[in-house]
Amino acid sequence: NAGVTQTPKFRVLKTGQSMTLLCAQDMNHEYMYWYRQDPGMGLRLIHYSVGEGTTAKGEVPDGYNVSRLKKQNFLLGLESAAPSQTSVYFCASSYSSGRYNQPQHFGDGTRLSIL
Amino acid sequence: GNSVTQMEGPVTLSEEAFLTINCTYTATGYPSLFWYVQYPGEGLQLLLKATKADDKGSNKGFEATYRKETTSFHLEKGSVQVSDSAVYFCALETSGSRLTFGEGTQLTVNP
Repeated sequence: NAGVTQTPKFRVLKTGQSMTLLCAQDMNHEYMYWYRQDPGMGLRLIHYSVGEGTTAKGEVPDGYNVSRLKKQNFLLGLESAAPSQTSVYFCASSYSSGRYNQPQHFGDGTRLSIL
Repeated sequence: GNSVTQMEGPVTLSEEAFLTINCTYTATGYPSLFWYVQYPGEGLQLLLKATKADDKGSNKGFEATYRKETTSFHLEKGSVQVSDSAVYFCALETSGSRLTFGEGTQLTVNP
């Protein structure tokens, strides 16, 4: 029962490098989300997807791109990493609205440092 | 826009003490309200939720009541344990399954 799995768990990049964070869920959830967590700021939504082949911008989308080619996977890309993107990144998934007893399930996070 | 404000942390308590973490919100429409908990090195887990005014969510001894008149959803527990040490996030959802989180409150419980 893996739930939401994020890869990698830790990564250090140099400014200007690119990378992709992978999120995989095995719960057949329609909705998937990428958040970043910074001290004193809670979690902020970067991008989200309401189904395979769809993506939408969240609160802080600049500098990131996403893709949802398969229902179970949601990729977060940094094309040219900047120190301001140093953060802990969380992926989450859900069936649909939390109103109907379907909460978001979170992965354990990816700690990313940009030097 | 939507926003959630939590009491500033960190909060440090002795075991068996009473816990209150304040949460107030601003939202359009009729939001659902949540408390999530994050244990060290882990992702967030849903602790409890309430979907309409006057609902009380409860789980693992924690409770929170949806107060529309004061736009609040304060988290309470009568007797905390060392294992409750974690970061607690208040959150709201209006439409589209998008959550708005508070900044989080670090709780440390000492034996």
